[in-house]
Amino acid sequence: NAGVTQTPKFQVLKTGQSMTLQCAQDMNHNSMYWYRQDPGMGLRLIYYSASEGTTDKGEVPNGYNVSRLNKREFSLRLESAAPSQTSVYFCASSEGQGAYYEQYFGPGTRLTVT
Amino acid sequence: DAKTTQPPSMDCAEGRAANLPCNHSTISGNEYVYWYRQIHSQGPQYIIHGLKNNETNEMASLIITEDRKSSTLILPHATLRDTAVYYCIVRPDTGSSNTGKLIFGQGTTLQVKP
Repeated sequence: NAGVTQTPKFQVLKTGQSMTLQCAQDMNHNSMYWYRQDPGMGLRLIYYSASEGTTDKGEVPNGYNVSRLNKREFSLRLESAAPSQTSVYFCASSEGQGAYYEQYFGPGTRLTVT
Repeated sequence: DAKTTQPPSMDCAEGRAANLPCNHSTISGNEYVYWYRQIHSQGPQYIIHGLKNNETNEMASLIITEDRKSSTLILPHATLRDTAVYYCIVRPDTGSSNTGKLIFGQGTTLQVKP
């Protein structure tokens, strides 16, 4: 039982390049989330998927797109990377969307955009 | 969402109990108190959550005051591996309209010393 896994662990992009961050969970959870954490800051929600087949914007969605590929996988795409997107990206999952359900986080992807 | 207030830092001797306070004086009736921690460079780790009653699991105990305006996370026998930033988060349970997002503040940096 690996929990939440993320690939890659590290990535360096040039401004304007695109990439997809991958996330998978093996806990049969319905809800999945993407957060970003800037240095010295708390996490901010980018996008979330309450259940398979649905996605919604969080508080900082600009410059990102997501795909809930199936129940296990939730990917985050940067179409044209900008230096402001330099951050650590965390994927999380939970059994349900409500406050009763705890979220479990992956190890993160450290992205630098030059 | 209710705001939380935590001390920025605390020290604890290894083997002793670590008591981390959190003030959430504007909490409302349907809001849960959550605790997460983040060990350097890792994803946030769920610790415990509660609504009204005190809770205990294999990691920690959560003591919520009767008026629910404050809570304390107790790590009964702190070890060096418990050195981390601890986040107290208040989450409203508003059913399907809830994004499920976690709002991380600055947290308390707990330093466990030998």
